[in-house]
Amino acid sequence: GAGVSQSPRYKVAKRGQDVALRCDPISGHVSLFWYQQALGQGPEFLTYFQNEAQLDKSGLPSDRFFAERPEGSVSTLKIQRTQQEDSAVYLCASTGVEGGDEQYFGPGTRLTVT
Amino acid sequence: GQNIDQPTEMTATEGAIVQINCTYQTSGFNGLFWYQQHAGEAPTFLSYNVLDGLEEKGRFSSFLSRSKGYSYLLLKELQMKDSASYLCAVRDGANAGKSTFGDGTTLTVKP
Repeated sequence: GAGVSQSPRYKVAKRGQDVALRCDPISGHVSLFWYQQALGQGPEFLTYFQNEAQLDKSGLPSDRFFAERPEGSVSTLKIQRTQQEDSAVYLCASTGVEGGDEQYFGPGTRLTVT
Repeated sequence: GQNIDQPTEMTATEGAIVQINCTYQTSGFNGLFWYQQHAGEAPTFLSYNVLDGLEEKGRFSSFLSRSKGYSYLLLKELQMKDSASYLCAVRDGANAGKSTFGDGTTLTVKP
């Protein structure tokens, strides 16, 4: 595709439900990043993949958060037993080389936990 | 860890010049980015500085001083469409994949 795509664009979950957020990076991009952005704040790093390897998951806020990229392309961010504080926009970004310079962001998934 | 500071809000007039400052305190450094983010949209890349000095790209320029932990984004000939949030981000020196973002500066351009 022409850019990074994410689905769903909007998700409403009841507290305690599990959710799965999908990211399709730009074809051929090696590095993939997940960020969490609360209203009025900058994106906060969650995790980083280089191909299928998860090189850094230091930003995942709890063990309820899990990310995978099994074939080195599409990635899924899973949140188990959602809590109200998980409500945020989840952004995915990719770069063409390790680390890379410019990060290309997807449109994000807005998660609302009620 | 990384600490990034930028003003919360700024206002400027159409056609004018505005400078958005960013200061950072980091345990490592491997480049500084500026992104533009319109409300409800994804951030889009504006500039990247890894060496000291000024990088110019059309109406936008970005400056970096590594010794001072300081950068600024300069926007010239402001247009109404420049109203957005401007995010400063520092890439971790130890982990080239990880970038830490500031909370952004919301710029409002008035006619």
